[in-house]
Amino acid sequence: TQLLEQSPQFLSIQEGENLTVYCNSSSVFSSLQWYRQEPGEGPVLLVTVVTGGEVKKLKRLTFQFGDARKDSSLHITAAQPGDTGLYLCAGGTNDYKLSFGAGTTVTVRA
Amino acid sequence: ETGVTQSPTHLIKTRGQQVTLRCSSQSGHNTVSWYQQALGQGPQFIFQYYREEENGRGNFPPRFSGLQFPNYSSELNVNALELDDSALYLCASSPQGGGRDTQYFGPGTRLTVL
Repeated sequence: TQLLEQSPQFLSIQEGENLTVYCNSSSVFSSLQWYRQEPGEGPVLLVTVVTGGEVKKLKRLTFQFGDARKDSSLHITAAQPGDTGLYLCAGGTNDYKLSFGAGTTVTVRA
Repeated sequence: ETGVTQSPTHLIKTRGQQVTLRCSSQSGHNTVSWYQQALGQGPQFIFQYYREEENGRGNFPPRFSGLQFPNYSSELNVNALELDDSALYLCASSPQGGGRDTQYFGPGTRLTVL
Protein backbone atom coordinates (compact mmCIF):
# COMPACT_ATOMS: atom_id res chain seq x y z
CA THR A 1 0.00 0.00 0.00
CA GLN A 2 1.40 3.37 -1.07
CA LEU A 3 1.18 6.16 1.50
CA LEU A 4 1.11 8.69 -1.31
CA GLU A 5 -1.45 8.50 -4.11
CA GLN A 6 -0.40 9.81 -7.51
CA SER A 7 -2.74 10.68 -10.33
CA PRO A 8 -3.09 10.07 -13.12
CA GLN A 9 -1.28 6.74 -13.40
CA PHE A 10 -0.58 7.27 -17.11
CA LEU A 11 -0.49 10.44 -19.20
CA SER A 12 0.13 10.70 -22.94
CA ILE A 13 0.24 14.13 -24.56
CA GLN A 14 1.45 15.86 -27.71
CA GLU A 15 4.63 17.93 -27.72
CA GLY A 16 3.86 21.53 -26.74
CA GLU A 17 0.91 20.69 -24.47
CA ASN A 18 0.84 21.27 -20.72
CA LEU A 19 0.41 18.61 -18.06
CA THR A 20 -0.12 18.36 -14.30
CA VAL A 21 0.63 15.40 -12.02
CA TYR A 22 -0.87 15.21 -8.53
CA CYS A 23 0.41 13.63 -5.34
CA ASN A 24 -1.94 13.29 -2.35
CA SER A 25 -1.78 11.84 1.14
CA SER A 26 -3.63 11.88 4.44
CA SER A 27 -0.28 12.20 6.21
CA VAL A 28 1.74 15.33 6.88
CA PHE A 29 5.31 15.34 5.60
CA SER A 30 8.32 17.45 6.53
CA SER A 31 9.30 17.58 2.87
CA LEU A 32 8.10 16.46 -0.52
CA GLN A 33 10.46 15.40 -3.26
CA TRP A 34 9.87 14.84 -6.95
CA TYR A 35 11.97 12.46 -9.01
CA ARG A 36 12.04 11.38 -12.64
CA GLN A 37 13.07 7.85 -13.48
CA GLU A 38 14.06 6.37 -16.83
CA PRO A 39 13.56 2.63 -17.49
CA GLY A 40 16.23 0.52 -15.74
CA GLU A 41 17.79 3.52 -13.99
CA GLY A 42 17.59 5.09 -10.55
CA PRO A 43 15.33 8.06 -9.78
CA VAL A 44 16.87 11.48 -10.43
CA LEU A 45 15.95 14.23 -8.00
CA LEU A 46 14.09 17.16 -9.56
CA VAL A 47 13.18 19.24 -6.52
CA THR A 48 12.66 19.22 -2.75
CA VAL A 49 9.97 21.42 -1.19
CA VAL A 50 9.81 21.84 2.57
CA THR A 51 7.46 24.74 3.36
CA GLY A 52 3.66 24.53 3.18
CA GLY A 53 2.41 26.60 0.25
CA GLU A 54 5.87 26.69 -1.33
CA VAL A 55 6.12 27.03 -5.11
CA LYS A 56 9.34 26.27 -6.99
CA LYS A 57 9.97 26.82 -10.67
CA LEU A 58 12.70 25.08 -12.64
CA LYS A 59 12.55 26.22 -16.27
CA ARG A 60 9.31 24.68 -17.60
CA LEU A 61 8.56 22.72 -14.40
CA THR A 62 6.53 24.18 -11.52
CA PHE A 63 6.24 22.37 -8.21
CA GLN A 64 3.81 23.22 -5.43
CA PHE A 65 3.60 21.93 -1.85
CA GLY A 66 0.14 22.13 -0.28
CA ASP A 67 -0.48 24.47 2.65
CA ALA A 68 -1.08 21.51 4.99
CA ARG A 69 2.01 19.67 3.66
CA LYS A 70 -0.09 16.67 2.63
CA ASP A 71 -0.17 17.10 -1.13
CA SER A 72 1.86 18.39 -4.04
CA SER A 73 1.62 18.97 -7.77
CA LEU A 74 4.01 19.06 -10.68
CA HIS A 75 3.11 21.15 -13.72
CA ILE A 76 5.05 21.01 -16.98
CA THR A 77 4.56 23.76 -19.54
CA ALA A 78 5.07 23.12 -23.25
CA ALA A 79 6.13 19.50 -22.75
CA GLN A 80 8.93 18.07 -24.88
CA PRO A 81 9.75 14.43 -25.77
CA GLY A 82 12.69 14.66 -23.36
CA ASP A 83 10.18 15.04 -20.51
CA THR A 84 9.05 11.44 -21.06
CA GLY A 85 9.59 9.25 -18.00
CA LEU A 86 8.19 8.00 -14.71
CA TYR A 87 7.52 10.82 -12.27
CA LEU A 88 7.64 9.87 -8.61
CA CYS A 89 6.71 11.90 -5.57
CA ALA A 90 8.15 11.00 -2.18
CA GLY A 91 7.24 12.28 1.26
CA GLY A 92 9.97 12.71 3.82
CA THR A 93 9.77 12.62 7.59
CA ASN A 94 12.31 14.00 10.03
CA ASP A 95 14.07 10.63 10.26
CA TYR A 96 15.04 10.83 6.57
CA LYS A 97 12.81 7.95 5.45
CA LEU A 98 10.99 8.46 2.16
CA SER A 99 7.54 7.12 1.29
CA PHE A 100 6.96 6.97 -2.44
CA GLY A 101 3.90 7.12 -4.61
CA ALA A 102 3.43 4.50 -7.35
CA GLY A 103 4.41 7.01 -10.00
CA THR A 104 2.92 8.65 -13.09
CA THR A 105 4.17 7.47 -16.47
CA VAL A 106 4.36 10.47 -18.82
CA THR A 107 4.74 10.04 -22.57
CA VAL A 108 5.26 13.12 -24.75
CA ARG A 109 4.73 12.39 -28.45
CA ALA A 110 6.71 14.37 -31.03
CA GLU B 1 32.13 14.84 -7.14
CA THR B 2 31.28 11.15 -7.59
CA GLY B 3 27.64 10.20 -7.36
CA VAL B 4 26.10 7.11 -5.78
CA THR B 5 27.34 3.91 -7.39
CA GLN B 6 25.99 0.37 -7.10
CA SER B 7 27.26 -3.08 -8.04
CA PRO B 8 26.54 -5.33 -9.72
CA THR B 9 24.25 -3.87 -12.38
CA HIS B 10 22.38 -7.10 -12.97
CA LEU B 11 22.21 -10.37 -11.08
CA ILE B 12 20.43 -13.68 -11.64
CA LYS B 13 19.95 -16.07 -8.72
CA THR B 14 17.83 -19.12 -7.99
CA ARG B 15 15.29 -19.50 -5.23
CA GLY B 16 16.89 -20.26 -1.84
CA GLN B 17 20.25 -18.68 -2.66
CA GLN B 18 21.79 -15.67 -0.92
CA VAL B 19 22.84 -12.37 -2.53
CA THR B 20 24.94 -9.34 -1.55
CA LEU B 21 24.47 -5.97 -3.21
CA ARG B 22 26.89 -3.08 -2.78
CA CYS B 23 26.59 0.69 -2.69
CA SER B 24 29.09 3.54 -2.49
CA SER B 25 27.59 6.74 -1.18
CA GLN B 26 28.18 10.17 -2.64
CA SER B 27 31.17 12.01 -1.21
CA GLY B 28 30.30 13.77 2.05
CA HIS B 29 27.16 11.70 2.67
CA ASN B 30 26.95 9.68 5.89
CA THR B 31 23.46 8.19 5.53
CA VAL B 32 22.54 5.35 3.19
CA SER B 33 19.03 4.01 2.54
CA TRP B 34 17.99 0.93 0.59
CA TYR B 35 14.78 0.57 -1.40
CA GLN B 36 13.11 -2.23 -3.35
CA GLN B 37 11.24 -1.29 -6.51
CA ALA B 38 9.05 -3.95 -8.06
CA LEU B 39 7.99 -3.58 -11.67
CA GLY B 40 5.35 -0.88 -12.09
CA GLN B 41 5.56 0.34 -8.51
CA GLY B 42 7.29 3.07 -6.55
CA PRO B 43 10.32 2.24 -4.39
CA GLN B 44 9.61 0.68 -0.98
CA PHE B 45 11.87 1.57 1.97
CA ILE B 46 13.88 -1.41 3.29
CA PHE B 47 16.18 0.19 5.87
CA GLN B 48 18.56 3.05 6.50
CA TYR B 49 22.06 3.27 7.96
CA TYR B 50 23.53 6.31 9.67
CA ARG B 51 27.14 6.23 10.83
CA GLU B 52 27.26 2.41 10.67
CA GLU B 53 24.08 1.87 12.72
CA GLU B 54 20.64 0.85 11.45
CA ASN B 55 18.49 3.95 11.74
CA GLY B 56 15.10 2.57 10.80
CA ARG B 57 13.51 -0.32 8.96
CA GLY B 58 10.54 -0.78 6.67
CA ASN B 59 8.19 -3.75 6.47
CA PHE B 60 10.72 -6.34 5.29
CA PRO B 61 11.54 -9.71 6.92
CA PRO B 62 14.80 -10.33 8.82
CA ARG B 63 16.30 -12.21 5.88
CA PHE B 64 16.94 -8.70 4.50
CA SER B 65 19.97 -7.38 6.37
CA GLY B 66 22.58 -4.70 5.85
CA LEU B 67 25.87 -3.18 6.85
CA GLN B 68 27.49 0.22 6.64
CA PHE B 69 31.25 0.60 6.68
CA PRO B 70 33.46 3.39 8.12
CA ASN B 71 33.75 4.96 4.66
CA TYR B 72 29.90 5.03 4.59
CA SER B 73 29.60 2.48 1.80
CA SER B 74 26.95 -0.15 2.40
CA GLU B 75 25.84 -3.70 1.64
CA LEU B 76 22.39 -5.23 1.37
CA ASN B 77 22.20 -8.97 2.02
CA VAL B 78 19.19 -11.12 1.21
CA ASN B 79 19.05 -14.74 2.39
CA ALA B 80 16.77 -17.55 1.22
CA LEU B 81 15.77 -15.74 -1.94
CA GLU B 82 12.15 -15.97 -3.06
CA LEU B 83 10.67 -15.35 -6.49
CA ASP B 84 9.00 -12.14 -5.21
CA ASP B 85 12.43 -10.71 -4.37
CA SER B 86 12.92 -10.06 -8.08
CA ALA B 87 13.10 -6.26 -8.32
CA LEU B 88 15.31 -3.23 -8.83
CA TYR B 89 17.23 -2.53 -5.62
CA LEU B 90 18.09 1.10 -5.12
CA CYS B 91 20.57 2.70 -2.81
CA ALA B 92 20.29 6.38 -1.85
CA SER B 93 22.61 8.60 0.17
CA SER B 94 21.86 11.76 2.11
CA PRO B 95 24.25 14.67 2.58
CA GLN B 96 25.84 15.56 5.85
CA GLY B 97 24.00 18.60 7.11
CA GLY B 98 22.25 18.91 3.78
CA GLY B 99 18.67 19.73 2.92
CA ARG B 100 16.18 17.89 5.08
CA ASP B 101 15.37 14.47 3.63
CA THR B 102 17.11 15.07 0.32
CA GLN B 103 18.26 11.72 -1.03
CA TYR B 104 20.31 10.95 -4.12
CA PHE B 105 19.85 7.59 -5.80
CA GLY B 106 22.23 5.23 -7.53
CA PRO B 107 21.41 3.47 -10.80
CA GLY B 108 20.18 0.34 -9.02
CA THR B 109 20.85 -3.40 -9.18
CA ARG B 110 18.36 -5.49 -11.14
CA LEU B 111 17.90 -8.82 -9.30
CA THR B 112 16.12 -11.70 -11.00
CA VAL B 113 15.25 -14.78 -8.93
CA LEU B 114 14.43 -17.92 -10.92
